[in-house]
Amino acid sequence: LAKTTQPISMDSYEGQEVNITCSHNNIATNDYITWYQQFPSQGPRFIIQGYKTKVTNEVASLFIPADRKSSTLSLPRVSLSDTAVYYCLVGVPGGYNKLIFGAGTRLAVHP
Amino acid sequence: EAGVVQSPRYKIIEKKQPVAFWCNPISGHNTLYWYRQNLGQGPELLIRYENEEAVDDSQLPKDRFSAERLKGVDSTLKIQPAELGDSAVYLCASSFAGRGGVNTEAFFGQGTRLTVV
Repeated sequence: LAKTTQPISMDSYEGQEVNITCSHNNIATNDYITWYQQFPSQGPRFIIQGYKTKVTNEVASLFIPADRKSSTLSLPRVSLSDTAVYYCLVGVPGGYNKLIFGAGTRLAVHP
Repeated sequence: EAGVVQSPRYKIIEKKQPVAFWCNPISGHNTLYWYRQNLGQGPELLIRYENEEAVDDSQLPKDRFSAERLKGVDSTLKIQPAELGDSAVYLCASSFAGRGGVNTEAFFGQGTRLTVV
């Protein structure tokens, strides 16, 4: 399984755009990139998944360069409620996915 | 529709006592995961089921931990005997994996916070 590296923590202010980058140099051809969000005292929640280029949903955007060795989760205009831990996962979603989590990035949004 | 349901929400036990956690996955989900999450760390996979078969239990401490998923639906994770280091949040998740298709997202329960004293 491809190992991922993320910043341990980030700080931002309300209304700003936040970009969290994940490195996955050993990503395999069939691997997808998935991001989860976790609030205190809750289980992780799926945010977005992509394979290449750009994916956008109502919550976030995911940018994946051509070499796929990194990816960037973009949260537009964050609010205090976006304060959470964000996990980047890499793996094969087809068939049976192993879902291995790293330490994640702790995002703190300030007023 | 209800999400992944776990019980109990909290549990405090003395060391050397047994404890069990229960998980009811989302209806129709064939994949079930148990994770352990220590404070400040990401979830650590303990065991993964495909239907009723445990397909990945390499991280499960088998001397004291056991799990079962009867009829491929509900699952129980047991610790016997519990140790102080087992204090953590135990998370259950489920997803649907279609044959040859892209796996759907995994849905997590709220977890069971275990404190061993």
